[in-house]
Amino acid sequence: AQRVTQPEKLLSVFKGAPVELKCNYSYSGSPELFWYVQYSRQRLQLLLRHISRESIKGFTADLNKGETSFHLKKPFAQEEDSAMYYCALRGIGSARQLTFGSGTQLTVLP
Amino acid sequence: DVKVTQSSRYLVKRTGEKVFLECVQDMDHENMFWYRQDPGLGLRLIYFSYDVKMKEKGDIPEGYSVSREKKERFSLILESASTNQTSMYLCASSFLGGTEAFFGQGTRLTVV
Repeated sequence: AQRVTQPEKLLSVFKGAPVELKCNYSYSGSPELFWYVQYSRQRLQLLLRHISRESIKGFTADLNKGETSFHLKKPFAQEEDSAMYYCALRGIGSARQLTFGSGTQLTVLP
Repeated sequence: DVKVTQSSRYLVKRTGEKVFLECVQDMDHENMFWYRQDPGLGLRLIYFSYDVKMKEKGDIPEGYSVSREKKERFSLILESASTNQTSMYLCASSFLGGTEAFFGQGTRLTVV
């Protein structure tokens, strides 16, 4: 079974402060990890994927297999980063089920 | 530009009704998914499909069924709607080996 845990339902930070959204996973194999974001009144969309090792909108995430974590970080939060963030995992196999965490609502205060 | 379109933004149905939620994608994706999105619970997978007429149960399939007669269309069926099925339903699609899922705008279903 595959499982994704996001321990924080709500997170508030001030503009310019660092932000870290936590994600832990459970999977018996080598998973693919993603962060998806949903801005107010918009569709859920991919923010970044671990396999690309990219920085998107200043966000980065590193896969730590030892701690089974994939935390999302940004050094200086902006007000436009306020959104719901979901961590997601996809396992191997032909069907490749995509499992999401419960989400973290990030609010960046002015 | 990938398009995943859900037939309705808002639906209100009565308890016991049979409800159909339709989803169409125009990118020739093999995978299609149905999730429900509830506050504090995130997205929970109901069913997914990786090919025409193929379906796999997700984490919460009880009370739902699906149909995939054509590659571009994936339907979610509530056989007998109940109030605990009031939720936001999201459809998504992706290539079989792709790394990105594309989502529809969601259908807000209220069962009264």
